[in-house]
Amino acid sequence: AQSVTQPDIHITVSEGASLELRCNYSYGATPYLFWYVQSPGQGLQLLLKYFSGDTLVQGIKGFEAEFKRSQSSFNLRKPSVHWSDAAEYFCAGRMEYGNKLVFGAGTILRVKS
Amino acid sequence: GAGVSQSPSNKVTEKGKDVELRCDPISGHTALYWYRQRLGQGLEFLIYFQGNSAPDKSGLPSDRFSAERTGESVSTLTIQRTQQEDSAVYLCASSLATVGAYEQYFGPGTRLTVT
Repeated sequence: AQSVTQPDIHITVSEGASLELRCNYSYGATPYLFWYVQSPGQGLQLLLKYFSGDTLVQGIKGFEAEFKRSQSSFNLRKPSVHWSDAAEYFCAGRMEYGNKLVFGAGTILRVKS
Repeated sequence: GAGVSQSPSNKVTEKGKDVELRCDPISGHTALYWYRQRLGQGLEFLIYFQGNSAPDKSGLPSDRFSAERTGESVSTLTIQRTQQEDSAVYLCASSLATVGAYEQYFGPGTRLTVT
């Protein structure tokens, strides 16, 4: 079955520390992959996307993600976290014609000062 | 330009009542999507519209749920005889097209509470 898995429900990091949020997908081919961020009371904002080509993609707010076909992963990273990065992060994949997105359950990021 | 807008932002209704949720997509976006987000969970696809094509209703959880869209404009999601398990945030998104790699832009959502 087509699915996206985010293994970590909550992650807490110190401000200034590096961050990696994990995402794995299950699909027979390479899906289009996205990371979205949702702040409390807000809609989802697209951070970055992977369609093809360079497996390291850069996004907004200093985020990047690396696609690894061998691991069926698309992990999100940031070298130095800011308190304003505290939010919920969703990984999503488009795995079939029609543009329907399959979402992971989300990872809540807490930033401690 | 303006983003995706949704109304109302919050809706509290009694079990058994019908509700209508509205979505205004970004102008020029031909594709429109509805998702549901239950507390502590990711988004579940409900339905999408693409131009004049028949909508993909494969995500609608029951026949109490329906949606309409007039052309490439406003969409309304209707839930009849609401149940407590319908309580969730309903998110609308739009994109330029379904064919190709166009990302979806999300509205702020409507928080539905069924008492």
